[in-house]
Amino acid sequence: DTVMTQSPASMSTSVGERVTVNCKASQSVGTVVAWFQQKPGQSPKRLIYLATNRHTGVPDRFTGSGFGRDFTLTISNVEAEDLAVYYCLQYDSIPLTFGSGTKLEIK
Amino acid sequence: QVQLKESGPGLVQPSQTLSLTCTVSGFSLTSNSVSWVRQPPGKGLEWMGAIWSGGSTDYNSALKSRLSISRDTSKSQVFLKMNSLQTEDTAIYFCTRGPDWELDYWGQGVMVTVSS
Repeated sequence: DTVMTQSPASMSTSVGERVTVNCKASQSVGTVVAWFQQKPGQSPKRLIYLATNRHTGVPDRFTGSGFGRDFTLTISNVEAEDLAVYYCLQYDSIPLTFGSGTKLEIK
Repeated sequence: QVQLKESGPGLVQPSQTLSLTCTVSGFSLTSNSVSWVRQPPGKGLEWMGAIWSGGSTDYNSALKSRLSISRDTSKSQVFLKMNSLQTEDTAIYFCTRGPDWELDYWGQGVMVTVSS
């Protein structure tokens, strides 16, 4: 199975700042990575697919990058509504595997 | 628009079988895959398995011996059955479109508690 090692586990930031979330795959997955946002009490929502493509309606504050084993989700100009847990997912091989999640707190 | 909705019992006794239904709309099961993902309380996401547009299935090897996913295309429904439930199977169970659509849309989830 491909293990997705996600970091950090949690972070705290202020409105208007920029944050990055990282995922490292245990083997190359090309660009077959997605990022999800899960707000409290809600189901996950896809933000990014194929490493860099934004889902319809996702603000351009959310940017995905990476290839191979290393992937990053960058949130620019953080807003209070970005309070959530963020997950990466590789879907290059079965079983699909998620990162362990990054909890974003707003100061 | 694409929608998925899970349904099933909220409480299952240990050692019993869980049966869940995912009813989809806005797309066809004969040209799209559907996955099941679960999330224990306060924990992360685990992909359980999927049924592909052609009807074949793939499962997480950790669950394969207990898990079965099937569908009724005429009713736009996907089914999950998992036997020998234990307390650690307590979780929110989600259905989602994909893997071929990269889990782009999700249902609201259904909370399942395993307890006597």
